[in-house]
Amino acid sequence: EGQLVESGGGLVHPGESLRLSCATSGFTFSSHALSWVRQAPGTGLEWVSIISGSGDNTYHADSVKGRFTISKDSSRSTLYLQMNALRAEDTAVYYCVRSDCDNIFCRLFVSWGQGTLVTVSS
Amino acid sequence: DIQMTQSPSTLSASVGDRVTITCRASQNIRDWLAWYQQKPGKAPKLLIHRASGLQSGAPSRFSGSGFGTEFTLTISSLQPDDSATYFCQQYDTLTTFGPGTKVHIK
Repeated sequence: EGQLVESGGGLVHPGESLRLSCATSGFTFSSHALSWVRQAPGTGLEWVSIISGSGDNTYHADSVKGRFTISKDSSRSTLYLQMNALRAEDTAVYYCVRSDCDNIFCRLFVSWGQGTLVTVSS
Repeated sequence: DIQMTQSPSTLSASVGDRVTITCRASQNIRDWLAWYQQKPGKAPKLLIHRASGLQSGAPSRFSGSGFGTEFTLTISSLQPDDSATYFCQQYDTLTTFGPGTKVHIK
């Protein structure tokens, strides 16, 4: 099943930046696509970004395209989300999520981290 | 974008009841439909994949059905541990989640 542990959340002002990290273990890092999925307080789930197992391919939701960048460090088995130009509507719990296969079309989310809260407020 | 709707938004049922939740897609998603269970303060957990496939470790009282645009999640005999919010997810084209159905135990 593996383990996913997010960190890096916090309180930031609109327009500022933040980088989330997700330390992974217990599975072959290069064999699974990884995503970030967020959940605004008291609401539903929104998929944000995905990166392939190889790291060669990425895709971002329109709501974050041009502001957020997903990346990974295979030597550390760690996933990242660089978030720039943050807005109030980006406030959410951000989950690191593992897919069942290795490419960016693999969007069945079989394993989730515990989440990290990002709050964007002035 | 494919929109997902769920009904009801909340339901209350007794232990032992059979419970059914419906999920509808705005266009044909074949059987690329998953169901997740989320308890307060916790991450979602995958229950059903490909519309009717029970995820390893999920209790057998959970089952899924449907194809195309209409899908159902059934709990055959509701247990106290099933108090949670249930989300459907289409993963045919990009991916989108339904708004959730909150299940309360009477």
